[in-house]
Amino acid sequence: QLQLVQSGAEVKKPGSSFNISCETSGGTFPNYAITWVRQAPGQGLEWIGGIFPVFATANYAQKFQGRVTITADENTDLSYLNLYNLRSDDTAMYYCARGRSFGELSYWGQGTLLSVSS
Amino acid sequence: DIVLTQTPLSSPVTLGQPASISCRSSQSLVHDDVNTYLSWLQQRPGQPPRLLFYKISNRVSGVPDRFSGSGAGTDFTLKISRVEAEDVGVYYCMLGTQFPHRNTFGQGTKLVI
Repeated sequence: QLQLVQSGAEVKKPGSSFNISCETSGGTFPNYAITWVRQAPGQGLEWIGGIFPVFATANYAQKFQGRVTITADENTDLSYLNLYNLRSDDTAMYYCARGRSFGELSYWGQGTLLSVSS
Repeated sequence: DIVLTQTPLSSPVTLGQPASISCRSSQSLVHDDVNTYLSWLQQRPGQPPRLLFYKISNRVSGVPDRFSGSGAGTDFTLKISRVEAEDVGVYYCMLGTQFPHRNTFGQGTKLVI
């Protein structure tokens, strides 16, 4: 059974960078899509971007273009989200999700809380 | 860009009674490959989202059959035939396409007992 485990909560200062990992257990699934989503406190879900590990090319929401990098290693099935030049409104819970396609995100990580404050 | 609009945003329900959530798209969601990549997610309080349905009506294993997904084109519906206490949470419709890759979410509908 595929399970996703994300790295722990972080507190960052404005202008700094943020890096979280998403580890897949239960096998390797290079053909499974990986999507990163965030949820600000009390708000809805917001798509950040995603990648197919076997293709290794990420796509990003326009809002985050130039400020985000998503990578994935098809051998280790680890994915990373890097967000740069943090602002206070980046404070949110960040989730990785995987599935057979970007429309079938069957598996979700537990979430990683990022707090950005001076 | 495609916009998904959910109604209602909050739905007071009574245990044992039906509930229905609508998701309307700003344009047809029928993809070039003829599929419609509209999914429904449930997020219980304090939990990550959980996939309920993909491609409109394909139920994920473990989802109770009191839930159903339907619709076509621009109008989609999630129905619960008889609400149970464990159904409390926020429900999202989501579009997930591959070429180009994009995930779009509705605003969410909060189901309250």
